[in-house]
Amino acid sequence: DTEVTQTPKHLVMGMTNKKSLKCEQHMGHRAMYWYKQKAKKPPELMFVYSYEKLSINESVPSRFSPECPNSSLLNLHLHALQPEDSALYLCASSPTRTSGGGPAGDTQYFGPGTRLTVL
Amino acid sequence: QQQVKQSPQSLIVQKGGISIINCAYENTAFDYFPWYQQFPGKGPALLIAIRPDVSEKKEGRFTISFNKSAKQFSLHIMDSQPGDSATYFCAASRLGPGPASKLTFGTGTRLQVTL
Repeated sequence: DTEVTQTPKHLVMGMTNKKSLKCEQHMGHRAMYWYKQKAKKPPELMFVYSYEKLSINESVPSRFSPECPNSSLLNLHLHALQPEDSALYLCASSPTRTSGGGPAGDTQYFGPGTRLTVL
Repeated sequence: QQQVKQSPQSLIVQKGGISIINCAYENTAFDYFPWYQQFPGKGPALLIAIRPDVSEKKEGRFTISFNKSAKQFSLHIMDSQPGDSATYFCAASRLGPGPASKLTFGTGTRLQVTL
């Protein structure tokens, strides 16, 4: 099973709302990622978790708050977003190089994304 | 030095033709080069990948050619089909700060295969 699932598929929220995006994988991967993708652009890395610890934060505004409650789940908590935050939010997972995956740990598997619209 | 440059931005190929997309990188620390295919409204899906110790890798109709000295790699889609119409992203990976990898994406190529 090489599936990464994301919920919800679509989300519309106001600038004062608080919402969360969820991501789940059952491949035993110990690295999980959040990306933001605007139309006709490549995915932009936001956060990386390795072994449930935040290892990379690409200078993302604090209105985005990631959480990794266990090795299978990744959340992205959203608060006081701006209209320019509207985008496709992608979750990905991969083995890690240090878990015996070697360079195969580079293969990232993406979920279908959550289409977020901020009004 | 972190960029991956991709060309062309868009490509129109007739059914049965060969689609060629090129990428170039600067950072010699990159050691894994995947190609992703993305359909509208979907997440990117890994298509094929190569490491710098190999100059070519073929999987079905898809071939990656890799030139380490020129720091370039390309995707060739043989016998292109309308179902191949999608956006293709090249990427390059290196070990990040921590045990996970860090992908750098190219800017993407929108491929349209016409009948």
